[in-house]
Amino acid sequence: DAEITQSPRHKITETGRQVTLACHQTWNHNNMFWYRQDLGHGLRLIHYSYGVQDTNKGEVSDGYSVSRSNTEDLPLTLESAASSQTSVYFCASSEDQGNQETQYFGPGTRLLVL
Amino acid sequence: GDSVTQMEGPVTLSEEAFLTINCTYTATGYPSLFWYVQYPGEGLQLLLKATKADDKGSNKGFEATYRKETTSFHLEKGSVQVSDSAVYFCALSDPLSGGSYIPTFGRGTSLIVHP
Repeated sequence: DAEITQSPRHKITETGRQVTLACHQTWNHNNMFWYRQDLGHGLRLIHYSYGVQDTNKGEVSDGYSVSRSNTEDLPLTLESAASSQTSVYFCASSEDQGNQETQYFGPGTRLLVL
Repeated sequence: GDSVTQMEGPVTLSEEAFLTINCTYTATGYPSLFWYVQYPGEGLQLLLKATKADDKGSNKGFEATYRKETTSFHLEKGSVQVSDSAVYFCALSDPLSGGSYIPTFGRGTSLIVHP
């Protein structure tokens, strides 16, 4: 069965360190997304990609970067981790169906920045 | 811009009670509407969707009807179970949102069902 996986599931890091969160999907979807989920804010879009070599900023992209070198993977990098980036991070993918697209979410990565 | 407003939670019910979670939206175009569910410790998953006015989406005993005249998409279930305890997100995807089709999510409503 096709799936979307994230690793690690839990991560503790220190302020100032670079951190990379992995996202891998076997749906063969062109579209991939990164969100963060925080109490009181719901889901907020960080970055997204519509295909290989395509990346776009979301509403809360400062301090984050992504790269898309193949269809399956969209790693999220925190350049210099800050305590404000403590959150639960979700990766999602969708196929090209216009405004009827369903998003398929990974299980999430819980990140704690000390 | 587009927005989705959901009722504040948590919603606390006894098993077999009737559930309604309100959702209203504003959109520039004619959006598709979605309900996603997030069980504890998991990612979101699609519960149901509707793509045009008066469509009813349904799944696992949950239903929601696309009401264009009231810009609403309320989620209902006739008899909830403990296993329905989760966070429910209403969302829309608007074809006039700059062509991106990225969904706009509500903030989520937590449902707690007691035995």
